[in-house]
Amino acid sequence: QVQLVQSGAEVRKPGASVKVSCKTSGYRFTSYDINWVRQATGQGLEWMGWMNPNSGNTGYAQKFQGRVTMTRNTSISTAYLEVSSLRSEDTAVYYCARVIMVRGVDYGMDVWGQGTTVTVSS
Amino acid sequence: QSLLTQPPSASGTPGQRVTISCSGSTSYTGNFYVYWYQHLPGTAPKLLIYRNNQRPSGVPDRFSGSKSGTSASLAISGLRSEDEGDYYCVIWDDTLSGLVFGGGTKLTVL
Repeated sequence: QVQLVQSGAEVRKPGASVKVSCKTSGYRFTSYDINWVRQATGQGLEWMGWMNPNSGNTGYAQKFQGRVTMTRNTSISTAYLEVSSLRSEDTAVYYCARVIMVRGVDYGMDVWGQGTTVTVSS
Repeated sequence: QSLLTQPPSASGTPGQRVTISCSGSTSYTGNFYVYWYQHLPGTAPKLLIYRNNQRPSGVPDRFSGSKSGTSASLAISGLRSEDEGDYYCVIWDDTLSGLVFGGGTKLTVL
């Protein structure tokens, strides 16, 4: 079955970077985009950006441009999210999610990773 | 301030029908599709409705979506205790070239 399995919890100091992985299985990795969504403590869900695993093309929410990088390793069907210059407000649960897009029709984010907790604290 | 406005909370008793609204900014023309996600405590979000009113396989028909102009609604009938959690509407904003989440509605089953 389709699965997205994320890396474990991380703790970082302010100003540091963190890289979260999202290992996919059960489908062709390069066929569907990956979105990254986060939920900061006490806040709602927030979209961070998307990546096309086939081309490597990305699109980031304006709020995160310059601080977020989304990459992939197609040989191991894994997507990555790197967030730099971390601040306390980045303490959140980070989710990856597969986007079903078929012939230009968006069917939504149908499978999600379990989430990765990133804590930013001095 | 979200471009999609949802009520912060909603509630109902078991078996009841509840609706959650999602109102788009006045800058929107209405030419967008709405998606709804359920986020239960301690779990990953789950797709409930796509393209305004379509249910993915496996989502009970107790959940239904509708859209009119720049506003949308999620209806949950036959409310159950396990429906308690947060619900989000989402759209793709062409101007921002990105997804926009509503602020979320916390559903309480009394």
